Amino acid sequence: DAGVTQSPTHLIKTRGQHVTLRCSPISGHKSVSWYQQVLGQGPQFIFQYYEKEERGRGNFPDRFSARQFPNYSSELNVNALLLGDSALYLCASGESGGFTEAFFGQGTRLTVV
Amino acid sequence: QQQVKQSPQSLIVQKGGISIINCAYENTAFDYFPWYQQFPGKGPALLIAIRPDVSEKKEGRFTISFNKSAKQFSLHIMDSQPGDSATYFCAASKAAGNKLTFGGGTRVLVKP
Repeated sequence: DAGVTQSPTHLIKTRGQHVTLRCSPISGHKSVSWYQQVLGQGPQFIFQYYEKEERGRGNFPDRFSARQFPNYSSELNVNALLLGDSALYLCASGESGGFTEAFFGQGTRLTVV
Repeated sequence: QQQVKQSPQSLIVQKGGISIINCAYENTAFDYFPWYQQFPGKGPALLIAIRPDVSEKKEGRFTISFNKSAKQFSLHIMDSQPGDSATYFCAASKAAGNKLTFGGGTRVLVKP
């Protein structure tokens, strides 16, 4: 069975640009969450979506947005990129909105120059 | 606001030894406490998890000890192997949701 898949795996963007990251959850999982992991730190929660509705939002600026599609895949969008947005962006999927076991993808490494 | 504090930041253990990582949390609403293992360039992988109604849970060489009154929990890696060399993260979440709050991580190096 395929796990959580994220694309692209690596990305280099210039300050001020926009980026879209994509995530496909494990088959049968309806919840997707996004995390930002800065080098040397633990992941920080950004968003959770369940059944295409936002169920939670972390302490991130409005430049960050996300959505979930009818097939439960998800996109994370970041506008007006800053150097500080350079990080590993992780997607986690779960069976339901109240799930407690989160299964992570390998992430998208975003570098902003 | 760091709601989950993890220590130590790094540790070195000999092959066959015991690795011990500690975490403390502040939010008494937390009801689920998982541990994740992360290798360089990879996403975190769930190792073992515990709920506060039990004080200890063991899976293979990995054991979680939980102290609800002290708001602390720890991971013990028995018979540590070089393949266990990785970064370990504790986390916590509320039962009703799945937003995970992670500790800062512990880099473990197992020397052969």
